[in-house]
Amino acid sequence: GAVVSQHPSRVICKSGTSVKIECRSLDFQATTMFWYRQFPKKSLMLMATSNEGSKATYEQGVEKDKFLINHASLTLSTLTVTSAHPEDSSFYICSARDLARVHEQYFGPGTRLTVT
Amino acid sequence: EDQVTQSPEALRLQEGESSSLNCSYTVSGLRGLFWYRQDPGKGPEFLFTLYSAGEEKEKERLKATLTKKESFLHITAPKPEDSATYLCAVLPYGGATNKLIFGTGTLLAVQP
Repeated sequence: GAVVSQHPSRVICKSGTSVKIECRSLDFQATTMFWYRQFPKKSLMLMATSNEGSKATYEQGVEKDKFLINHASLTLSTLTVTSAHPEDSSFYICSARDLARVHEQYFGPGTRLTVT
Repeated sequence: EDQVTQSPEALRLQEGESSSLNCSYTVSGLRGLFWYRQDPGKGPEFLFTLYSAGEEKEKERLKATLTKKESFLHITAPKPEDSATYLCAVLPYGGATNKLIFGTGTLLAVQP
């Protein structure tokens, strides 16, 4: 149980285009999902907290107009990187909080974004 | 300020050589402490949740313990497949709901 999926696992896009990443909780409901970014050999950096049915809460320094988050259902959150640039290349990981296990978060497998 | 520190940064063990990883934390109040395992190029895999001092959890060769200031992840007779980065995170009271604070991780390498 407590499986989180992400799609795509890898994506390469050209500079200036937009990319959407999906995060799904497969066997549980998640009112809250989180989006992280991870640089090589570094720990996870929280970008934003995604709440079902309401606006996402962004961490300081994260541009909300560049990283659009939508949490339309209890099992799906999406992150759209708009007008991507090479510096946006990174490993993006989502996590979901299981309603039944109040404090535990389960992570997706991550999405490797490369902007050329 | 809430803070999590993990040590050592890196640890190299021989297969079968038991050891412990440390996670020290400073929070105003602890709602939970979490251990994750992360393999290269993958998302963190949930291992344990600990809620109160004195609590212990076990899974195969791993055992996590918690005191009021730190947590240990004990690895008994490790195998090469235990090689990974082990992340510790705390969930403090107050502030944003369910926002985890992560340590920088311990990179464990187990040699055959």
